[in-house]
Amino acid sequence: EAGVAQSPRYKIIEKRQSVAFWCNPISGHATLYWYQQILGQGPKLLIQFQNNGVVDDSQLPKDRFSAERLKGVDSTLKIQPAKLEDSAVYLCASSLSPGHTYGYTFGSGTRLTVV
Amino acid sequence: ELKVEQNPLFLSMQEGKNYTIYCNYSTTSDRLYWYRQDPGKSLESLFVLLSNGAVKQEGRLMASLDTKARLSTLHITAAVHDLSATYFCAVGNNDMRFGAGTRLTVKP
Repeated sequence: EAGVAQSPRYKIIEKRQSVAFWCNPISGHATLYWYQQILGQGPKLLIQFQNNGVVDDSQLPKDRFSAERLKGVDSTLKIQPAKLEDSAVYLCASSLSPGHTYGYTFGSGTRLTVV
Repeated sequence: ELKVEQNPLFLSMQEGKNYTIYCNYSTTSDRLYWYRQDPGKSLESLFVLLSNGAVKQEGRLMASLDTKARLSTLHITAAVHDLSATYFCAVGNNDMRFGAGTRLTVKP
């Protein structure tokens, strides 16, 4: 089966600019997650979707980050305006259901550099 | 809030040696995951542990879960260079919260 697709792979922007990332989960996976991984740290959950509804966005900096999952398939994560501390890898993951016994599949990530 | 702690954070070992990585978490959960991450790569699922006493083995890696102690271990047997990577544990019933990772280097 095809994996979790993410694009772009790399993005360099100046601070205060905006940026968007795209994720296409594995077909049939109802649950989708966005994680932020800062260099040298473990991934931090930003937002969790179940189909097209938000389950948990408690760690999403809502003053600058937004995410949507229209039609319960693809998802986009946007940052506006970006700050230097947003430099990180943004990982998308999907699973059949929350806490599914098969676990979660991660995409390759988008590496964002804010200068 | 769920806290996940791994130790050690850095581990340098000789080929052929054994070692254990520990993962402690702060609240009740019966789902624990181990992932491997190579530099510049995404996360690769190693093990999913679903119940107290669960033990899974793949090659030189063996993971176990003690939900009463809120502890999981990842045991490495007779390490080889190819095992050099960062290993993460993650905990959660409906989502995953990650530890900081253990950066493992296996030297000849």
